[in-house]
Parts: sequence; C-alpha cells; structure tokens
Amino acid sequence: DTGVSQNPRHKITKRGQNVTFRCDPISEHNRLYWYRQTLGQGPEFLTYFQNEAQLEKSRLLSDRFSAERPKGSFSTLEIQRTEQGDSAMYLCASSETDRANYGYTFGSGTRLTVV
Amino acid sequence: AQRVTQPEKLLSVFKGAPVELKCNYSYSGSPELFWYVQYSRQRLQLLLRHISRESIKGFTADLNKGETSFHLKKPFAQEEDSAMYYCALSGAAGNKLTFGGGTRVLVKP
Repeated sequence: DTGVSQNPRHKITKRGQNVTFRCDPISEHNRLYWYRQTLGQGPEFLTYFQNEAQLEKSRLLSDRFSAERPKGSFSTLEIQRTEQGDSAMYLCASSETDRANYGYTFGSGTRLTVV
Repeated sequence: AQRVTQPEKLLSVFKGAPVELKCNYSYSGSPELFWYVQYSRQRLQLLLRHISRESIKGFTADLNKGETSFHLKKPFAQEEDSAMYYCALSGAAGNKLTFGGGTRVLVKP
C-alpha cells in the first residue's frame, strides 16, 4: 500500500469546462475526506464519506461540485463549469473510523488551474 | 462553529534557538487538537496530537482549555524543521478537521 493516491497531480482547464479528480485511499480506511487549499491558506473542508455514504458537505461545495464514492473505495470529485475561483489544490485524506483521532493520511493533492 | 487561528504567518529563528508556534481555537465542546506539518514538496503529514501527549522530533504541544490554546514548542530548532505548520481541530473523533491558516517556520543556520 503506497498511501493515499490522487490523480492527476496537475490539471489545467479552460473556464467553463468540467474536470474530475480521483482519490484512492488507504485500502483499510473507511473514511475519506476532500479538502481545498488556496495559496496562503490552510486546507478547507469540502466533504467526507464513510464507506459509500456522504456524511457531510461544506457550504463551500456549491451545486457545481459533486463527489462520489460508489463502492466505498476510491472517490471522485467533479467540478462542472469551472470558474477561475476554483483554482486551488484539492486534497484527499483517509482514516479508519475507530482510529480517526490518530489523524488523517493525506494524498499529494491535485492542483487545478482554471485559465 | 469550529475555528482555528494561527496568528503568525512566518517565524524566522536561528538554529539552536527555541521556537513556539501559536494556535488558538474556538469550539464549544471538547476538541481533539492536532499539529500537521508540510515539508517542501512533500504531502501534509501528522506531526502530533494532543491525546497522545507525545514528543515528536523534539516538538511538544500542550492543550490549555482555559486559554483555548494548543501552542507548539521546540527548545532547540534545527534547519530540517523549516516547513509549514498547521494547527487543526476536530470536534469529534473521525469528523472533519478544521485547519488554521498555517505558520511558515524558517530556521536559519
């Protein structure tokens, strides 16, 4: 197991296009989290899953954003009709529910640039 | 609502000097507090958590509920400590982490 994997590492897209990111968590981790980080800021919570159930969504997650974890393993984050304000680093993290107070394991992130 | 404040954006210290990173939080219940670190070109990783009361890489952090603080300290900074440090809070085990804005530490030789 190589930890939390995110693809792609970088994505440049034109405004108005749709993009999709993928996260593969550590295999035994049943919780998966998405965060967004802009320059000079700490990570901001977007949403999280326990297995395939999406348990919480932030108000930051507008209608243009959707996340799925269909089989309780990998997750995808889609942004429709991208805007320049969507440019950020998108981070994925995972944890075991019973050991979540031991902290999360983060992926390397997907850097999105909307031009 | 959960909030974490790191008042210092940048801390610059000389090697061997003490370093203290401030973290204040706002939460009505009993929080779980963490420090995460991001070294250059590496992913965000857990440094330490308050429940374990451990020292990692010479760093310690004490939860002060009266002052709602969780400051990170190291008595003798090393050049390899140069990194971004984020304080984070969880309102309940397994739930979302709320991060502060981060403090960049630069340890000069």
